[in-house]
Amino acid sequence: GAVVSQHPSWVICKSGTSVKIECRSLDFQATTMFWYRQFPKQSLMLMATSNEGSKATYEQGVEKDKFLINHASLTLSTLTVTSAHPEDSSFYICSARALPGNTEAFFGQGTRLTVV
Amino acid sequence: DQQVKQNSPSLSVQEGRISILNCDYTNSMFDYFLWYKKYPAEGPTFLISISSIKDKNEDGRFTVFLNKSAKHLSLHIVPSQPGDSAVYFCAASASYTGNQFYFGTGTSLTVIP
Repeated sequence: GAVVSQHPSWVICKSGTSVKIECRSLDFQATTMFWYRQFPKQSLMLMATSNEGSKATYEQGVEKDKFLINHASLTLSTLTVTSAHPEDSSFYICSARALPGNTEAFFGQGTRLTVV
Repeated sequence: DQQVKQNSPSLSVQEGRISILNCDYTNSMFDYFLWYKKYPAEGPTFLISISSIKDKNEDGRFTVFLNKSAKHLSLHIVPSQPGDSAVYFCAASASYTGNQFYFGTGTSLTVIP
């Protein structure tokens, strides 16, 4: 089946620094990728929809200047957490759909971000 | 506003018995539904899906039922196995919203050997 690779799987950074998370579709082209965030014992919350070649669409309440999304190619989307704070510590997951319309989505392995 | 809800945060079932996980949604425009299984610190793994034109879809030990009038879907696992122990999320999407998924809060299933 289709594979989505997310890197890194975990990262620790200092407050005030920036962290980049990569999401790659390995064997298919994804015009749209999605970024989610999960707090402990809570659901996956959609942060933004990443569209190849255009600006990302952010969900209400998500700071676009803090969570920078770049979808430069059909196989790569990146999420950069800028000026990280401890409250940004969370589990971030990307997903992509291989085909348009109603099809399953494939998820990356997730990135555990800890800001100290 | 939680559009997809899983009201049971946890469920324990004896090995070999049936596990039934429930999910309710509020948006009548949702037309595609999925169940995912998730282990801690890992990404979700797709299990089974159902389109709104169907009311049942079966794949091996997993069956998903959809009741559109009640805005309710359920996942049946039979027979349950200890390896099924994980957190299960239902998710829904609507074609008009660009196909992003909305997730329930998850149900932690424990299958007791």
